[in-house]
Amino acid sequence: RKEVEQDPGPFNVPEGATVAFNCTYSNSASQSFFWYRQDCRKEPKLLMSVYSSGNEDGRFTAQLNRASQYISLLIRDSKLSDSATYLCVVNINTGNQFYFGTGTSLTVIP
Amino acid sequence: EAQVTQNPRYLITVTGKKLTVTCSQNMNHEYMSWYRQDPGLGLRQIYYSMNVEVTDKGDVPEGYKVSRKEKRNFPLILESPSPNQTSLYFCASSLTGPYTQYFGPGTRLTVL
Repeated sequence: RKEVEQDPGPFNVPEGATVAFNCTYSNSASQSFFWYRQDCRKEPKLLMSVYSSGNEDGRFTAQLNRASQYISLLIRDSKLSDSATYLCVVNINTGNQFYFGTGTSLTVIP
Repeated sequence: EAQVTQNPRYLITVTGKKLTVTCSQNMNHEYMSWYRQDPGLGLRQIYYSMNVEVTDKGDVPEGYKVSRKEKRNFPLILESPSPNQTSLYFCASSLTGPYTQYFGPGTRLTVL
């Protein structure tokens, strides 16, 4: 069983749409959660950390549900520049290992 | 400029020819890590290091070696590369373990 699972998509949405991605993790010892963005096989870059109380950064909102072991990312008012692959990342506290989901592909269409 | 650098960026080699991919960071980060990225499998952690002279295996360490003699450098060594090690490799660093990682630009390795 994979440590982190994401719907690979692709998600094709029109500009201005709201889109949500979910990610589930299997290890209850997971302690830190992140969403990264990766453009066209370039290096991943941090989009936002995910906190237990949920957090928002402009058009992006991240939520964590420890009971159900999933995290989510909501993008409001999608822009063309949001087109990318979004990676869910989980850190396991026992060994400081990071586990990445396979990524969800988003294309925002004019 | 704060950054993680990797060299080379592209490498084509043959089976069995030892190679080293270098990684260096200028942010005084304690934690460094190597990943490989393959289609359909995502990024998988190869090795990581919590600090100088401290390294641990990640998810897919077979066929790889690392060393951390200095805080800024974390080279990845393939003693005898094989075609199944053809992949896109990323080095990353963070201040300490469970925090934001900063990635290098990637090294695309092809083993023939």
